[in-house]
Amino acid sequence: GAGVSQTPSNKVTEKGKYVELRCDPISGHTALYWYRQSLGQGPEFLIYFQGTGAADDSGLPNDRFFAVRPEGSVSTLKIQRTERGDSAVYLCASSQGQALGTQYFGPGTRLLVL
Amino acid sequence: SQQGEEDPQALSIQEGENATMNCSYKTSINNLQWYRQNSGRGLVHLILIRSNEREKHSGRLRVTLDTSKKSSSLLITASRAADTASYFCATAHYNNNDMRFGAGTRLTVKP
Repeated sequence: GAGVSQTPSNKVTEKGKYVELRCDPISGHTALYWYRQSLGQGPEFLIYFQGTGAADDSGLPNDRFFAVRPEGSVSTLKIQRTERGDSAVYLCASSQGQALGTQYFGPGTRLLVL
Repeated sequence: SQQGEEDPQALSIQEGENATMNCSYKTSINNLQWYRQNSGRGLVHLILIRSNEREKHSGRLRVTLDTSKKSSSLLITASRAADTASYFCATAHYNNNDMRFGAGTRLTVKP
């Protein structure tokens, strides 16, 4: 029944490579969020899904970042041509119903781009 | 862009003392939420306070909201070493679907 899970826990990749980060939200939660957190900073919003559709992707930094949620449950954040500046902890959260409610966070994926 | 700004950035107190953290924001909110984070990983939700509420309590936590000043405070009473963590406020706004987090207050409670 658990909470939000994210895989992998840690990912080390080389500059220029492609990575995929996975998020399994709490069952039944229709809203799903991706955040990025750099050391010493708060989470920075990336994208919000309501069901299968991206309701707000205004936080994606550039077109190298893309996220999908094809069946309205699991989501994958995809980063192409990774850069060293992409190194951060990527957090996923889910919530019931509409946006703006309590969010339940996963443990995050720590991405290191060498 | 981040919305809430916590103050102070860091706070160090002795066990048993109270800890107060503040959050200021810029635009009208639907609600404001406080989260706690240990060791830079997942955040844990503490309290949600709606724009029409002024104060909320949960155990040793007390949150106030002053919409006229666009500010909120989180008070932790009778602190414990286990309260050591980073605390973030997040604001939810009517005109978008996401929440904006501040940079957080790093609280250290010394035993």
